[in-house]
Amino acid sequence: KNEVEQSPQNLTAQEGEFITINCSYSVGISALHWLQQHPGGGIVSLFMLSSGKKKHGRLIATINIQEKHSSLHITASHPRDSAVYICAVPVYNTDKLIFGTGTRLQVFP
Amino acid sequence: DAGITQSPRHKVTETGTPVTLRCHQTENHRYMYWYRQDPGHGLRLIHYSYGVKDTDKGEVSDGYSVSRSKTEDFLLTLESATSSQTSVYFCAISNLGKNTEAFFGQGTRLTVV
Repeated sequence: KNEVEQSPQNLTAQEGEFITINCSYSVGISALHWLQQHPGGGIVSLFMLSSGKKKHGRLIATINIQEKHSSLHITASHPRDSAVYICAVPVYNTDKLIFGTGTRLQVFP
Repeated sequence: DAGITQSPRHKVTETGTPVTLRCHQTENHRYMYWYRQDPGHGLRLIHYSYGVKDTDKGEVSDGYSVSRSKTEDFLLTLESATSSQTSVYFCAISNLGKNTEAFFGQGTRLTVV
């Protein structure tokens, strides 16, 4: 069993839809990262959070440390949101990140 | 954008040849990482460095070596490239010990033929 699991693996949506991507982890963590990777592109950090909720534009990330679960929400999705979204956690008391396999999102006009 | 660059961005090499990938940062971050990304797998850690001349192995370190002679540069070397090392390689920097963001390079697509 992977220490970080994301669901769904693939997601398609129509422009304007509300999107939710989930991340569950089995290790103790101090924080969780959400990353975005566009096709053929580099990886960009969207959020790092250790509790509660963070919002940046149309993106919202939440985390429940007790349940070891985080969600990334995209409101009013747009085709430019099409990308792979990756969840990553640093193993507690180490400097290493463990990554989920990513969720591939396609938003159609 | 964080000041992190990888070179080369693309490389095709023959089996058995040595290859070195370079990661350069201008952020003075303590930690530097090399990952590989393959279909069906998440990013997997190859090696990382927590300071000049301080490096450690990740989960997929076999066949790779690294060096960090100065804060800015972290080199990844494939001593004798194999087809299984065909992948996209990402460098990352952070001060993870302080729970800060990680920043990634644009990636290097390496093909071993």
